Amino acid sequence: SSELTQDPAVSVALGQTVKITCQGDSLRSYFASWYQQKPGQAPLLVFYGKNNRPSGIPDRFSGSSSGNTASLTITGAQAEDEADYYCNSRDGSGDRLNLLFAGGTKLTVL
Amino acid sequence: QVQLQESGPGLVKPSQTLSLTCSFSGGSISSRDYYWSWIRQSPGKGLEWIGYIYYTGSAYYNPSLKTRVTISVDTSKNQFSLRLNSVTAADTAVYYCARAPRLGNWFDPWGQGTLVTVSS
Repeated sequence: SSELTQDPAVSVALGQTVKITCQGDSLRSYFASWYQQKPGQAPLLVFYGKNNRPSGIPDRFSGSSSGNTASLTITGAQAEDEADYYCNSRDGSGDRLNLLFAGGTKLTVL
Repeated sequence: QVQLQESGPGLVKPSQTLSLTCSFSGGSISSRDYYWSWIRQSPGKGLEWIGYIYYTGSAYYNPSLKTRVTISVDTSKNQFSLRLNSVTAADTAVYYCARAPRLGNWFDPWGQGTLVTVSS
């Protein structure tokens, strides 16, 4: 099966812009989805598909993709954005019905 | 408002079978538009997709867990279930159920999760 990778940790100054990336060969064929997880809570979908943000998610969250890399951008990071962020997509090397997650990125807002 | 809720024992002995149920409310689990998924998260670790099932009973599993996992669906109760056999301490995790669109790869919504500890 294929694999998705993320940087373990990223930091951003309050109000600045940060990009969290996800890499993997399957991203050449499938879009990534992005989740925010705060301590003790279930993951929350924040971006999916080519350009979709679930209802209630602030528009400072956006996504993009190029080649084997998908990105989640937070424009004007807020203190409440400090969380773990995970991407997921389909398995591009085997059964396309299989899904997989990357290891996650811990975002610190300074 | 669609909601998912996990239920089941919080403690399972090594070598035994972990069994959890997810109850869906606010819609029908028999919808042709969705798969019904299980995902877990070991303490302090990342997310791991376990598998999912369609309302017809067709199920797909993570290859790394395939030999030990069974997911089933009960449309009459609007529920689906997870069985993981021959558990070890490595299976200690928060187990989440979630909905995934048939034509997409995202999970939404998620249940609140339930911690299952494998210990004697």
